[in-house]
Amino acid sequence: AIRMTQSPSSFSASTGDRVTITCRASQGISSYLAWYQQKPGKAPKLLIYAASTLQSGVPSRFSGSGSGTDFTLTISCLQSEDFATYYCQQYYSYRITFGPGTKVDIK
Amino acid sequence: EVQLVESGGGLVQPGGSLRLSCAASGFTFSSYWMSWVRQAPGKGLEWVANIKQDGSEKYYVDSVKGRFTISRDNAKNSLYLQMNSLRAEDTAVYYCARAQETTVTTWDYWGQGTLVTVSS
Repeated sequence: AIRMTQSPSSFSASTGDRVTITCRASQGISSYLAWYQQKPGKAPKLLIYAASTLQSGVPSRFSGSGSGTDFTLTISCLQSEDFATYYCQQYYSYRITFGPGTKVDIK
Repeated sequence: EVQLVESGGGLVQPGGSLRLSCAASGFTFSSYWMSWVRQAPGKGLEWVANIKQDGSEKYYVDSVKGRFTISRDNAKNSLYLQMNSLRAEDTAVYYCARAQETTVTTWDYWGQGTLVTVSS
């Protein structure tokens, strides 16, 4: 199975910060990558698919980039509602796998 | 409004069985791939199984193959997960999720989840 890693695993940030989360695949996955946001006790929410396509209704401060093995999720101006855990997910292989998550909390 | 409501979770002994259900509404259920995704307490997300619109194709994560069966009843707008030979490591919140039409294996709507606890 394709292994997904994320960095950092967690970090603290302030409202208004620009933040970047990195996701790496153990083999090339083209642009078959999605990003989800999850808040405690809630279901995940799809943010981005196809590496850079913003899901309908998701604020434009979220953006994604990358292809092959290296990907990034950027939040241009962190808002209070963005403190959450973020997961990347590859769907290049039918054996779908997620990254371990990156927790963003308040500094 | 799209709604996915899971049920059927609970406490079960190792080696036991459980059947999860997911009631779908607000969209044409028979037009979408559907999936189960789970999350162990305090852990990350793990895809469990997928099923095609007509049930003709099913895929599973290796750790549940031969033990879990995904199925659907399009007439009842319902998705199911039959879980047999349950193990402690199957303890998780199980989410029912609707796949996007364009990608088939990313999920734009999720249920609230149902907790399965495998313990003696």
